[in-house]
This record gives sequence, structure tokens and C-alpha cells, in this order.
Amino acid sequence: SQQGEEDPQALSIQEGENATMNCSYKTSINNLQWYRQNSGRGLVHLILIRSNEREKHSGRLRVTLDTSKKSSSLLITASRAADTASYFCATRNTGGFKTIFGAGTRLFVKA
Amino acid sequence: EAQVTQNPRYLITVTGKKLTVTCSQNMNHEYMSWYRQDPGLGLRQIYYSMNVEVTDKGDVPEGYKVSRKEKRNFPLILESPSPNQTSLYFCASSLREAGGEQYFGPGTRLTVT
Repeated sequence: SQQGEEDPQALSIQEGENATMNCSYKTSINNLQWYRQNSGRGLVHLILIRSNEREKHSGRLRVTLDTSKKSSSLLITASRAADTASYFCATRNTGGFKTIFGAGTRLFVKA
Repeated sequence: EAQVTQNPRYLITVTGKKLTVTCSQNMNHEYMSWYRQDPGLGLRQIYYSMNVEVTDKGDVPEGYKVSRKEKRNFPLILESPSPNQTSLYFCASSLREAGGEQYFGPGTRLTVT
């Protein structure tokens, strides 16, 4: 069963704008991770946020986690055409070993 | 170069013909996993392995088998493939359990006719 649900399913913006994607999940988690996938290729890890963290930054990426709402957001600032890709959140349940991915958000950045 | 490799990258086969997709990592990772990706469904975990000889089912294990006899290899076996197993398959590994960053292979596109 899918736990992570991304919102929106697709997003189209102009280069230079910020892109925000959201992820919701259903159970208690150890951490939440964001991955990027260029068309048909393997996923690349972007950032991991632990359940006791509220915000994390990496370059132009900012991730927030609200465990009370069971949700996370990924913000990409000053987007570039090269950011065009699909973005997935992934969670690992507390005490479990499974990894559950959401259906992803397709981001298109227009030059 | 640290990497996860999969073979073959593309495969077209017929219903019922047994096949194996190989996965190998050179990072000495304990945790390995197989996923399938279908349009609109994201990635769904098929099987995972916490270490040699330790495997467990993910969310969609039906019709698949795995083995972990060596730390670096984690093959995915389809004993009797069916058309509903047509998908894009990814192998991934991480340093510990499922909690760390996962490194993904390039994917295997399987078509079962």
C-alpha cells in the first residue's frame, strides 16, 4: 500500500521561480527522504530529514517535516530548466524495514 | 566508482519463461531492495534484504523471488512471468537497514508478452 502521497501531481513553472511539492504519509516514521528521477532513469537521493527534525537545507533545497500533520514539503528555490524531473518522497516506518514511495510530482521548469 | 549495476537493461520475454534480473553493488552495503515502477503508482517495493541470507517481502512480492547469498548481489527471479509484470524495475542499496540514503541502479525495462 502506498503511504507517501505527493501533491501536486504535476507542476509547471518558469525558470527562476520557486517550486514547492508536498508529501503526506500515514504512519509514524523514522525519517523521510526526497528523491529525484530524470525520465526513466534511476532515482537520486536529495535529502533526508529525521522524525525529530523540523527543517533541513541543502543548497537550493529546503525540506520541512511536520510529524503532527504527517506531512513534508520540498522547496526548490530559483529553479532551473535542469530541475525538470520527477520528485518522490519516501518513508520508512518506525521499527520497520520497508521503504514506501509516493507516486511523485512531475516538475517542469520552462526556460 | 561506487555504483549499483543491473542486467539486463532491457528485456522482452514471453509469458511463463523464467528469467533473472541481476543486481550488484560495490559499496559493501547491507541493505538491498527491489522496486517496480508503474505509471501513476510511483515505486513499489517488491523485496528487500537486510543482509546476507536475510530477506523479506515488500508490498508487492507476488510472482517474484529473491536470494542474497553474497553481500554484493541481490538477483530478482521471475519464475513464471506474466504480462502484469511488465514494468520498470529498480534495484537499490543502502549502508544500513532502510534508514539511510538509497543508491539506485539504472533500471531494467521488462516487457512480458
